[in-house]
Amino acid sequence: QKEVEQDPGPLSVPEGAIVSLNCTYSNSAFQYFMWYRQYSRKGPELLMYTYSSGNKEDGRFTAQVDKSSKYISLFIRDSQPSDSATYLCAMSPSGSARQLTFGSGTQLTVLP
Amino acid sequence: GAVVSQHPSWVICKSGTSVKIECRSLDFQATTMFWYRQFPKQSLMLMATSNEGSKATYEQGVEKDKFLINHASLTLSTLTVTSAHPEDSSFYICSAVAGGSYNEQFFGPGTRLTVL
Repeated sequence: QKEVEQDPGPLSVPEGAIVSLNCTYSNSAFQYFMWYRQYSRKGPELLMYTYSSGNKEDGRFTAQVDKSSKYISLFIRDSQPSDSATYLCAMSPSGSARQLTFGSGTQLTVLP
Repeated sequence: GAVVSQHPSWVICKSGTSVKIECRSLDFQATTMFWYRQFPKQSLMLMATSNEGSKATYEQGVEKDKFLINHASLTLSTLTVTSAHPEDSSFYICSAVAGGSYNEQFFGPGTRLTVL
């Protein structure tokens, strides 16, 4: 069993839809949770960073962490074609960026 | 945000040759750099962690003699794929972390290696 599981998709939604992306994990030591966005043939860029359980909102993006269920989510409201990318979740047991475990990524396409 | 560059962005080489990939932090000093490889529709797999001025730490299963890493300065790390074979074809991505207790990993744009 992988430490971090993520549905690879692909996921296609119409423009304006609410998108829900999810990851589950098995290592209860993970405390820090991140979402990265990766456009085709590019390196990942950090979208959201959260610590422990709870919600964090940034514009159209909301990150949600449920440590009791070992489940994290990223919600995208009013999705745009420019949101089309692969979304990777990542987790760390400490605050260090030096110990990241990545999910396999979910490929998202937002259709105009 | 901080910028990390990689060169070349893509390279095609013959089997048996060596290929060097450069990773540079353009506007900050990177105490630590990471090298990942990524297969299509798969996640980033950490290959090695590189600290300036010291030997790289390789992940289990990664051949250090095949994937030579040099972190000669605070802004440059290189990955050399020696005696490349078709199975080494992949997308190689570096990332860099500035000093401090927690810092974001800033990723380069990646290098696509195709070995014929």
